[in-house]
Amino acid sequence: SQKIEQNSEALNIQEGKTATLTCNYTNYSPAYLQWYRQDPGRGPVFLLLIRENEKEKRKERLKVTFDTTLKQSLFHITASQPADSATYLCALDEGGYSTLTFGKGTMLLVSP
Amino acid sequence: NAGVTQTPKFRVLKTGQSMTLLCAQDMNHEYMYWYRQDPGMGLRLIHYSVGEGTTAKGEVPDGYNVSRLKKQNFLLGLESAAPSQTSVYFCASSYGGTGVADTQYFGPGTRLTVL
Repeated sequence: SQKIEQNSEALNIQEGKTATLTCNYTNYSPAYLQWYRQDPGRGPVFLLLIRENEKEKRKERLKVTFDTTLKQSLFHITASQPADSATYLCALDEGGYSTLTFGKGTMLLVSP
Repeated sequence: NAGVTQTPKFRVLKTGQSMTLLCAQDMNHEYMYWYRQDPGMGLRLIHYSVGEGTTAKGEVPDGYNVSRLKKQNFLLGLESAAPSQTSVYFCASSYGGTGVADTQYFGPGTRLTVL
């Protein structure tokens, strides 16, 4: 069966450190992988997209890697800040007429 | 631009009552989606639309109906609400198109409780 797995336990880190979140998948062939941020009581907000033929994508303090052999994406936030505290969702898109399938998300808590 | 808006923000229903959730977008997006989000379950797709007048079933369509009579609006209906439909409902929209990377823009959500 198809599965998208993100760490179910919250990730606690100190301000200034790099946060690394993991997204693993099985029985998918994603053409794209996306990361979204969700704050409590709000809808998800798109952050980054990476294509199957891209190894790495960066945007300011954010970096996403995509390894189709390992079936894994890593999401990094460097120099993390308390304002980065939120739940981060990965989503797979198999392309064509398919729709996004979301993981359950990982909560990140950055303490001062 | 307001982006994606949802009406209402909160609603409490009794079992068996009906209601319609309204989603509106002002970005001229072709595709629109309805999700529900439950603790421990993540976002699950209920129904979606790839253009005005079209609808399609998602992962969890039972107990819901949808309509897309106008490009900018996507309605989600519950004909006979059940406690299992207690959830937070999110609408989203995207530019659409096959073979292109398509990111979604989400509304603020509707928190529905069915007693």
